[in-house]
Amino acid sequence: QKEVEQDPGPLSVPEGAIVSLNCTYSNSAFQYFMWYRQYSRKGPELLMYTYSSGNKEDGRFTAQVDKSSKYISLFIRDSQPSDSATYLCATSLQAAGNKLTFGGGTRVLVKP
Amino acid sequence: DAGVIQSPRHEVTEMGQEVTLRCKPISGHDYLFWYRQTMMRGLELLIYFNNNVPIDDSGMPEDRFSAKMPNASFSTLKIQPSEPRDSAVYFCASSLPPATDTQYFGPGTRLTVL
Repeated sequence: QKEVEQDPGPLSVPEGAIVSLNCTYSNSAFQYFMWYRQYSRKGPELLMYTYSSGNKEDGRFTAQVDKSSKYISLFIRDSQPSDSATYLCATSLQAAGNKLTFGGGTRVLVKP
Repeated sequence: DAGVIQSPRHEVTEMGQEVTLRCKPISGHDYLFWYRQTMMRGLELLIYFNNNVPIDDSGMPEDRFSAKMPNASFSTLKIQPSEPRDSAVYFCASSLPPATDTQYFGPGTRLTVL
């Protein structure tokens, strides 16, 4: 079993819809949670970062962490075709300098 | 800043050949990471350095893989001899000291071993 599990998709939604992505993890010691976005044939780029449980909002993006359930979510409101990408969740035991454990990624397609 | 630079962007080689991938991190970043991405296994950390010193190489698949960081602005990942199962996209990433959690990824090197 992988430490971080993520549905590979693809997840296809119409433009303007809410995109809901999630991951589950097995190691209760994980403290930092991130979402990376990866466009085709590009490197991943950090989208959202949260520490411990709770919500964090940044524009159209909301990240949620529920440590009691070991569940991580990302919501994209008013989705745009430019949001079409693969979204990878990642966790770590401590801040930068320690290794990230990635989920397999969910491919998202936003259709105009 | 130009971001993390990797070369070559594409590499096609034959089984048994030596392959060297190169990375230039963002200036001032103390941490450098090498990842491998495949459809089957996703994005996996191979090794990471702090101040040019290897900290954790537990993700290096076997002795055929080696990584060096001779100075703060250059790192190499070498595969010798290469095998078809090494075909993947190899990413290099760098980050600042623990004040931030952002790892900045390079564009990757797409390796095909025939």
